[in-house]
Amino acid sequence: DTEVTQTPKHLVMGMTNKKSLKCEQHMGHRAMYWYKQKAKKPPELMFVYSYEKLSINESVPSRFSPECPNSSLLNLHLHALQPEDSALYLCASSQDGVRRSHSPLHFGNGTRLTVT
Amino acid sequence: GNSVTQMEGPVTLSEEAFLTINCTYTATGYPSLFWYVQYPGEGLQLLLKATKADDKGSNKGFEATYRKETTSFHLEKGSVQVSDSAVYFCALMFSGGYNKLIFGAGTRLAVHP
Repeated sequence: DTEVTQTPKHLVMGMTNKKSLKCEQHMGHRAMYWYKQKAKKPPELMFVYSYEKLSINESVPSRFSPECPNSSLLNLHLHALQPEDSALYLCASSQDGVRRSHSPLHFGNGTRLTVT
Repeated sequence: GNSVTQMEGPVTLSEEAFLTINCTYTATGYPSLFWYVQYPGEGLQLLLKATKADDKGSNKGFEATYRKETTSFHLEKGSVQVSDSAVYFCALMFSGGYNKLIFGAGTRLAVHP
């Protein structure tokens, strides 16, 4: 069983909808991540939070808006998405803040997003 | 730059066969190396890791040795099972990289009874 919990497991949304993906971990990890994975491809990094502050934004379009309300929670707010944004969205966490690197990432099972 | 190259799949094996999935890397400094496994419909699970040259990571019968001289981290298992069928990703994390994982393309393994 994964210790990083993502909800919902599946989401279908129209291009004019606003929705949010949620991620939760209770391992005391201080860094949290959003990845996007298209079919038959490796995950691609979107955002990194370290100690609840945004450390990395990999030039992600503004229709994706991350939020880290506290050290255990990570949200990804979605608005005006395009069909090509359909993918598996993975959340991950790691023990140390990102300036103390090389902590392995622990992934959730993802949210399968379909944009119609 | 930093990159990871994995052997292309799919790799198809019979149960109890020996498995090798090749992984080589290019990196500045001293990266840590990882193997992740993704079962159908799931996220990625950390399979094993190595943080310095000559380290051997092992878990669930899988092994990989960090070879700095050949810049490789090949995954091996002596006897595969049907339940090992999954996609395997080799990845590196480099110093000062904000814990950013650089993934290989992934190798799909199919094990038949």
